[in-house]
Amino acid sequence: AQKITQTQPGMFVQEKEAVTLDCTYDTSDQSYGLFWYKQPSSGEMIFLIYQGSYDEQNATEGRYSLNFQKARKSANLVISASQLGDSAMYFCAMREARTGNQFYFGTGTSLTVIP
Amino acid sequence: GAGVSQSPSNKVTEKGKDVELRCDPISGHTALYWYRQSLGQGLEFLIYFQGNSAPDKSGLPSDRFSAERTGGSVSTLTIQRTQQEDSAVYLCASSFRGAGELFFGEGSRLTVL
Repeated sequence: AQKITQTQPGMFVQEKEAVTLDCTYDTSDQSYGLFWYKQPSSGEMIFLIYQGSYDEQNATEGRYSLNFQKARKSANLVISASQLGDSAMYFCAMREARTGNQFYFGTGTSLTVIP
Repeated sequence: GAGVSQSPSNKVTEKGKDVELRCDPISGHTALYWYRQSLGQGLEFLIYFQGNSAPDKSGLPSDRFSAERTGGSVSTLTIQRTQQEDSAVYLCASSFRGAGELFFGEGSRLTVL
């Protein structure tokens, strides 16, 4: 089974609107971390936001927030007030303590912001 | 250095040749990861080091691929007898004791003709 599932290969959003990128995960571990990375066309991987499995509040970093629903095993990324520079690939990832801190990545979602 | 450094940034080689890709992680980061990313695809896990040991080599695609890490720092990914399907960007990342986020290098783009 896939550890991380991103079901949206491509998404479009109007500039200044909010967009949600979906991510579900599969683990039986109690201790894990969830991450989102952005990869613009330049290819660099940029860390955006982190949510720990024991965190009760949803993580926020500027215009990024993580909608963490533990029972549903989902960790959706919400980008508010989209900007043209947000156009990129977005990857959801999980680190499980049980598997020795292995990082699992999803297949990514390509986001295009339309002016 | 300030960030994860990878070399070469670009490598073009002929089918059948061996290549070595180098990764210099952030100083003090004990965990080091290698991923492969084909054009337009996600990240394929290759190998993970904690210190000099590799607890997880499960992602290495074949016995043509090997990696080592010496002194708990620099790592080298070696691909022997390269094939065209090895063409990809090879990304290295490091983290502090396997905790926290991964810090990525800019990748080594390998093209096998």
